[in-house]
Amino acid sequence: DTAVSQTPKYLVTQMGNDKSIKCEQNLGHDTMYWYKQDSKKFLKIMFSYNNKELIINETVPNRFSPKSPDKAHLNLHINSLELGDSAVYFCASSQDPGRTGYGYTFGSGTRLTVV
Amino acid sequence: KNEVEQSPQNLTAQEGEFITINCSYSVGISALHWLQQHPGGGIVSLFMLSSGKKKHGRLIATINIQEKHSSLHITASHPRDSAVYICAVPSHNTDKLIFGTGTRLQVFP
Repeated sequence: DTAVSQTPKYLVTQMGNDKSIKCEQNLGHDTMYWYKQDSKKFLKIMFSYNNKELIINETVPNRFSPKSPDKAHLNLHINSLELGDSAVYFCASSQDPGRTGYGYTFGSGTRLTVV
Repeated sequence: KNEVEQSPQNLTAQEGEFITINCSYSVGISALHWLQQHPGGGIVSLFMLSSGKKKHGRLIATINIQEKHSSLHITASHPRDSAVYICAVPSHNTDKLIFGTGTRLQVFP
């Protein structure tokens, strides 16, 4: 019954590998996001999708590619992983918070460690 | 300078104390969010407010749009309130959130 679920919870991989993190929400929200939390615990937006359409694409290396097969899923694929990609990645969803007044629901995070 | 500033960065309290965490922002906003990040890392959305005050249990959030300032209060604090509290605002009429640096709260029994 988890509202926003991310898998895997932990991911340890070697430099140069390609990996994916999956996110699914069962809230019926239209918008999904990926956030990165760095080693100083600072959260920053990476991408947002609204109804499968890319809305926000921050200055993120093009090794990061989001994929939204439907509005309930937003996956993050990372090519050629680098040490600096080590962080916690959070998925979140919202139902157009600017207009409806609803907040955000976050996944539990994926701790990515690149060795 | 970050567009969203929080204070204090770290806060320790004895159980039962009244806690106040402050957030100031420099951008025009439609709403402000307070989030709680548990020691295990999970993030929970506590409040979204655009004016006045909201209350949920022992948590109270207030906002003054003219002064671009919000406060999160915890009454009768408890060790389970120990967490990082993060203030966030949407940027430039989008729903992209800009986060404050967080306030780490530790409540001791």
